[in-house]
Amino acid sequence: GQNIDQPTEMTATEGAIVQINCTYQTSGFNGLFWYQQHAGEAPTFLSYNVLDGLEEKGRFSSFLSRSKGYSYLLLKELQMKDSASYLCAVHNDYKLSFGAGTTVTVRA
Amino acid sequence: GAVVSQHPSWVICKSGTSVKIECRSLDFQATTMFWYRQFPKQSLMLMATSNEGSKATYEQGVEKDKFLINHASLTLSTLTVTSAHPEDSSFYICTYREPDTGELFFGEGSRLTVL
Repeated sequence: GQNIDQPTEMTATEGAIVQINCTYQTSGFNGLFWYQQHAGEAPTFLSYNVLDGLEEKGRFSSFLSRSKGYSYLLLKELQMKDSASYLCAVHNDYKLSFGAGTTVTVRA
Repeated sequence: GAVVSQHPSWVICKSGTSVKIECRSLDFQATTMFWYRQFPKQSLMLMATSNEGSKATYEQGVEKDKFLINHASLTLSTLTVTSAHPEDSSFYICTYREPDTGELFFGEGSRLTVL
């Protein structure tokens, strides 16, 4: 089976940094996605990690440790528009399994 | 990237009626599309994989007679919710996965409300 865990909610201040952790236990692993989803909208792609290490893309960075079954998404210089749900998703074989999502609220 | 167009964006229907949701690939040909369902504040759950020209593959617990999937062409996949009930109210979203990179391209999603 698939087990993907991430915190339910996080709150941070505008301009701050927030780290969203994701742990997974899945049968098979090809890679890990992070998506951003605003309420009522489809998810949008943020990152895809296949190998261990940190990948940086502007204000967003994603880290993966395959041996630990662990990933995190780092959001820097938070802006109000970053308030959204962030989904961790594991890609194995032909399936993509999603975590429940972490709702990030950015406060002024 | 690939463009996936989903229609309708939202629909309200009476209990017992059927609703069809269309998912079109605008600039590519999709042999496989994935249909997800998302209840409020919950994760996206894979319902089924639609395969062009053949039967869809349903996930465990998803009623194939209730959620009819048709993928008659390389550019169109449809999901029909038959005899809808209030518990079927959800956000339905189709997805295409680019085979080389594994990147997902989502349709806009369809919010179904069954009264």
